Amino acid sequence: EPEVTQTPSHQVTQMGQEVILRCVPISNHLYFYWYRQILGQKVEFLVSFYNNEISEKSEIFDDQFSVERPDGSNFTLKIRSTKLEDSAMYFCATGTGSKLQYFGPGTRLTVT
Amino acid sequence: GNSVTQMEGPVTLSEEAFLTINCTYTATGYPSLFWYVQYPGEGLQLLLKATKADDKGSNKGFEATYRKETTSFHLEKGSVQVSDSAVYFCALSDLPGGATNKLIFGTGTLLAVQP
Repeated sequence: EPEVTQTPSHQVTQMGQEVILRCVPISNHLYFYWYRQILGQKVEFLVSFYNNEISEKSEIFDDQFSVERPDGSNFTLKIRSTKLEDSAMYFCATGTGSKLQYFGPGTRLTVT
Repeated sequence: GNSVTQMEGPVTLSEEAFLTINCTYTATGYPSLFWYVQYPGEGLQLLLKATKADDKGSNKGFEATYRKETTSFHLEKGSVQVSDSAVYFCALSDLPGGATNKLIFGTGTLLAVQP
């Protein structure tokens, strides 16, 4: 069964550094999403992406965040200058445009 | 705004016990409702869904009924197994918020089933 994959599984970085989280979507999916879950809190929507542009973004998704699909396969989330409060589990999800979204296993980001 | 409230965990049950995890929602319009499950070390997997009032979603022995009158979507299973131990998330689709159908999640409920 096709799966969404994410790399790395765990990323440790120092405050102020840039990080790139990667996601490989299911091959025929056209809608892409990032969510995050701070430890002990809700899973929160960050951004959705379709047709090579952002469809919607949350208040969390400020200028420090960006997304792109650089090679038509990977879908990346970049945080330009990480803060301690960016420490969280980041989930990629992909879909065909129906209400169903398929999630990856997540990347745990730890900012020290 | 739209929101989902789940009962707090952890929920600890013995094998073959009956499970209920409560979920209520606040939404404008008529959202679709979902239960996702996260097994240890894995991603979120869709467990079941319901797209309109009175729909019952079911999968792997789990059931949930979309109750518009009580704005609830409680998850139930008649006889849990150790392998059901996981975190369960209730979620709704953010309709009619555009074509992206972003999901709004509850906090998750940890279920631990003991043999």
